[in-house]
Amino acid sequence: DSGVTQTPKHLITATGQRVTLRCSPRSGDLSVYWYQQSLDQGLQFLIQYYNGEERAKGNILERFSAQQFPDLHSELNLSSLELGDSALYFCASSGGAGSFYEQYFGPGTRLTVT
Amino acid sequence: TQLLEQSPQFLSIQEGENLTVYCNSSSVFSSLQWYRQEPGEGPVLLVTVVTGGEVKKLKRLTFQFGDARKDSSLHITAAQPGDTGLYLCAGLRGTSYDKVIFGPGTSLSVIP
Repeated sequence: DSGVTQTPKHLITATGQRVTLRCSPRSGDLSVYWYQQSLDQGLQFLIQYYNGEERAKGNILERFSAQQFPDLHSELNLSSLELGDSALYFCASSGGAGSFYEQYFGPGTRLTVT
Repeated sequence: TQLLEQSPQFLSIQEGENLTVYCNSSSVFSSLQWYRQEPGEGPVLLVTVVTGGEVKKLKRLTFQFGDARKDSSLHITAAQPGDTGLYLCAGLRGTSYDKVIFGPGTSLSVIP
């Protein structure tokens, strides 16, 4: 158990819908990272927040957005969903803001868009 | 487009054998990490290497960062079924995490 929790574990929704994925980092960790993992694209970094502020942005689509709240939990919002958005979405947390601090990954949310 | 390639893509070996997997790129990385991911779980960090030519050992696993910091290898001695999983390398250019790229992974199966 990494100490990072993600909800829900599974999510099935239809194209065009909007969903919110939630992540609670390990106690004391200030950074939260979001990743997408699919069979054809592999693991891709989406976005990082540190202590409530956006720190780094990867291959995140404009239809996707994220935020980190004062209690440090984070949410990833996916809108106008397409079939290609079906993937595993991971959240990770680390204690620092700099690159390549040891990250602890959550168990993931499996999103299926039908 | 920056690419990080891993080889082999799939590897199935018997318990007790040795193996090496590779991570290659045309890009120079400031640091590189290896992760292992088991089915249904998130990746777990194994090692971070930052210096060209650096060798790190973690029990039966030996990691090497290439002299030019463009490639890395992971060698496993006397593989065990518990080593089964997807091995991912991730390279970072510069200091900002928006430059991170992940390889497609090597799927290892160790047969008892």
